[in-house]
Amino acid sequence: GENVEQHPSTLSVQEGDSAVIKCTYSDSASNYFPWYKQELGKGPQLIIDIRSNVGEKKDQRIAVTLNKTAKHFSLHITETQPEDSAVYFCAASTSAGANSKLTFGKGITLSVRP
Amino acid sequence: KAGVTQTPRYLIKTRGQQVTLSCSPISGHRSVSWYQQTPGQGLQFLFEYFSETQRNKGNFPGRFSGRQFSNSRSEMNVSTLELGDSALYLCASSPVTDTQYFGPGTRLTVL
Repeated sequence: GENVEQHPSTLSVQEGDSAVIKCTYSDSASNYFPWYKQELGKGPQLIIDIRSNVGEKKDQRIAVTLNKTAKHFSLHITETQPEDSAVYFCAASTSAGANSKLTFGKGITLSVRP
Repeated sequence: KAGVTQTPRYLIKTRGQQVTLSCSPISGHRSVSWYQQTPGQGLQFLFEYFSETQRNKGNFPGRFSGRQFSNSRSEMNVSTLELGDSALYLCASSPVTDTQYFGPGTRLTVL
């Protein structure tokens, strides 16, 4: 089955700096890669996603890049703010009907220092 | 649109009991997935329902079961609770097969 690994497990950045979180996946059939942000006491919130036919996607301060050959994808957050502090999860799935389950990485705790 | 709702938000049970958790998906979404979140194992897939049929299942024992109703609402049941079942149980709804939107979760504590 799919295995998603996320590194590092914690990341601390200064407010205004950029943060990059990397994930690798094992199943070459995976074609959908979402990123979730989870704040304390809340469920994961979808912040951006990318499909395998696209190499990069941006949404304001957030961008995701995908390298299918190397089987890794990354989340880039620019101009970080204290409210970006949270746990971030990457995930992968094969968007194919009955096999659509998400496999998650272990998560990374991002701390933005004011 | 209202988001995914889960009830109850918190639950305390003792070993050997059973528990039923409820999930109401976003209006119009027909797929509901359940995940277990623990500090040690992270987010793990339990099962997915679409049009009242279980379409996919994770690697959990048979004590974990679920169902979906004709209005897309879903319930999951855990029988003979064990201490290790203490976790945050998350429900996610999807309009298609991959984009999933999570609810706030039900925090289950087994004593």
